[in-house]
Amino acid sequence: QKEVEQNSGPLSVPEGAIASLNCTYSDRGSQSFFWYRQYSGKSPELIMFIYSNGDKEDGRFTAQLNKASQYVSLLIRDSQPSDSATYLCAARFGRDDKIIFGKGTRLHILP
Amino acid sequence: NAGVTQTPKFQVLKTGQSMTLQCAQDMNHNSMYWYRQDPGMGLRLIYYSASEGTTDKGEVPNGYNVSRLNKREFSLRLESAAPSQTSVYFCASEPSLTLEQYFGPGTRLTVT
Repeated sequence: QKEVEQNSGPLSVPEGAIASLNCTYSDRGSQSFFWYRQYSGKSPELIMFIYSNGDKEDGRFTAQLNKASQYVSLLIRDSQPSDSATYLCAARFGRDDKIIFGKGTRLHILP
Repeated sequence: NAGVTQTPKFQVLKTGQSMTLQCAQDMNHNSMYWYRQDPGMGLRLIYYSASEGTTDKGEVPNGYNVSRLNKREFSLRLESAAPSQTSVYFCASEPSLTLEQYFGPGTRLTVT
């Protein structure tokens, strides 16, 4: 059974600080990893994807992948109240495999 | 580009009624998906279609049917709605090369 695990939160972070969201996955062979943001009452929207070990940066967001330890993380620098949302981690074993979503972590940025 | 569109946005059904949720994408994606999202349960895959003319069951297919009408459209049908099908339904599409998914705005369904 392929699973993606996330702490449900809520994770409270002061405005301007770094928010760190973590995710672990069960299938060592997973190849592709995705972070989605979902505002309350809205649909998930893709923030970042990462395929290789290491860090990938996009503006205030950094995705980190460690395949040996089977975890993925998302760092949000200079957190803003508009970053308050649920963040979904997702993993995919291979091109023909289905994407597996975690249940999400609620992030609350404190003004 | 409208991306992924879904209709209706909201629907209330009585137990036993039937309805079809519509989804369309204009991004020329091959794969399309139907999910339901319930509090505390995350996104659960109902059905998916890897290409026009093919459909496969996901994690929670019971009580649902799908039709991949053409490359753009993928519909979800509830033949006899039950209160357990009260949920938010999302359609998503996926390009072949990069594998990320794009979601529609969702349909909030209540079955009384």
